[in-house]
Amino acid sequence: NAGVTQTPKFQVLKTGQSMTLQCAQDMNHEYMSWYRQDPGMGLRLIHYSVGAGITDQGEVPNGYNVSRSTTEDFPLRLLSAAPSQTSVYFCASSYTGTGVSGELFFGEGSRLTVL
Amino acid sequence: GDSVTQMEGPVTLSEEAFLTINCTYTATGYPSLFWYVQYPGEGLQLLLKATKADDKGSNKGFEATYRKETTSFHLEKGSVQVSDSAVYFCALSDPRTGANSKLTFGKGITLSVRP
Repeated sequence: NAGVTQTPKFQVLKTGQSMTLQCAQDMNHEYMSWYRQDPGMGLRLIHYSVGAGITDQGEVPNGYNVSRSTTEDFPLRLLSAAPSQTSVYFCASSYTGTGVSGELFFGEGSRLTVL
Repeated sequence: GDSVTQMEGPVTLSEEAFLTINCTYTATGYPSLFWYVQYPGEGLQLLLKATKADDKGSNKGFEATYRKETTSFHLEKGSVQVSDSAVYFCALSDPRTGANSKLTFGKGITLSVRP
């Protein structure tokens, strides 16, 4: 059972470089999201999607882009990395719908360092 | 907007001690409430949840009761084990947003249990 798979697990970038964090889930979940985890800040929502072709901004969307062309995949793009984007990134997915109270299934995380 | 406040950490306990981790929330609607746990090197996983006032969530010996009058969802366990050492996050979702899985997290608290 793969669940939510994130790649890469570790990445070091230089300021100004671009990269994509990949996220895939095999549970046919409509909802997918990206969070960043920083010391003393908890988890903060970057972007989320309630289905293929639909995305929306979370609490801290600046500097990140997303797209949702399939139900399974939800990549997070950094177009021009900055040191402030050094963080651990988590992808999470869930069923949605009336009566579903939102249990999120998390990937193992991607640790990004921007020099 | 919605918010979650957790007690400051870290918390260090001896094995078999009683655990309480405080969590209060601010929300304009009637949110669902969650506790997630993050073991070292892993993503978050759901520990327990409650979807309406006076509900009690329970799992693995942990309990939390949804108290609307005090806007609280404190986590308790009668006898902690070394294996409970982890980071604990309180979270809420507001069904009114149309995305039941769009969770707002507290900052998390690290629990260390000594043998």
